[in-house]
Amino acid sequence: DTEVTQTPKHLVMGMTNKKSLKCEQHMGHRAMYWYKQKAKKPPELMFVYSYEKLSINESVPSRFSPECPNSSLLNLHLHALQPEDSALYLCASSDNLAGRIYEQYFGPGTRLTVT
Amino acid sequence: DAKTTQPNSMESNEEEPVHLPCNHSTISGTDYIHWYRQLPSQGPEYVIHGLTSNVNNRMASLAIAEDRKSSTLILHRATLRDAAVYYCILRSDLTGGGNKLTFGTGTQLKVEL
Repeated sequence: DTEVTQTPKHLVMGMTNKKSLKCEQHMGHRAMYWYKQKAKKPPELMFVYSYEKLSINESVPSRFSPECPNSSLLNLHLHALQPEDSALYLCASSDNLAGRIYEQYFGPGTRLTVT
Repeated sequence: DAKTTQPNSMESNEEEPVHLPCNHSTISGTDYIHWYRQLPSQGPEYVIHGLTSNVNNRMASLAIAEDRKSSTLILHRATLRDAAVYYCILRSDLTGGGNKLTFGTGTQLKVEL
């Protein structure tokens, strides 16, 4: 199974709402990632988790709060977002072990609209 | 972070070879060159990667310049299903595990009959 699943596929939320995006993989990967992709732009890295610990935060505003409850799951908690946060949010995972390809497997993304 | 530059778009006819160029003049000695592609409404998909030598796999070939400041992704016979945005990416490995992908702006490949 080389699939990364993301739920929900689409999400519309108001600026005062709290919501969460979920990501799951069962490939045994110990590194997981969140990316943000605006229309017609490349993905931008937001967070990296390695062995369930946050290793990179690319200066992301605190209204985005990641969580890695176990090695298969990655959440992104959203609170008080702005309309400019509307984007496709992509999750990815990769191996950590030396000698492996380090290919990142991406999920299909969650299309977020903030109204 | 080192950057990559790519043409915004390219066109090809079906069953002809396609050469997608990428410049990465500020690449560091430990950066790997990766290519991913993104089909509409999907996440990016790994295509190929290399460090210094040319690489071949079932999807494509990667030609890397001797000074590593540029590379070319080669699709040997383009099909309509290869129409996608192709990203040239530099990968740096993180000391704590995992890696960081720095995406280029991408090339939209159009394939025509």
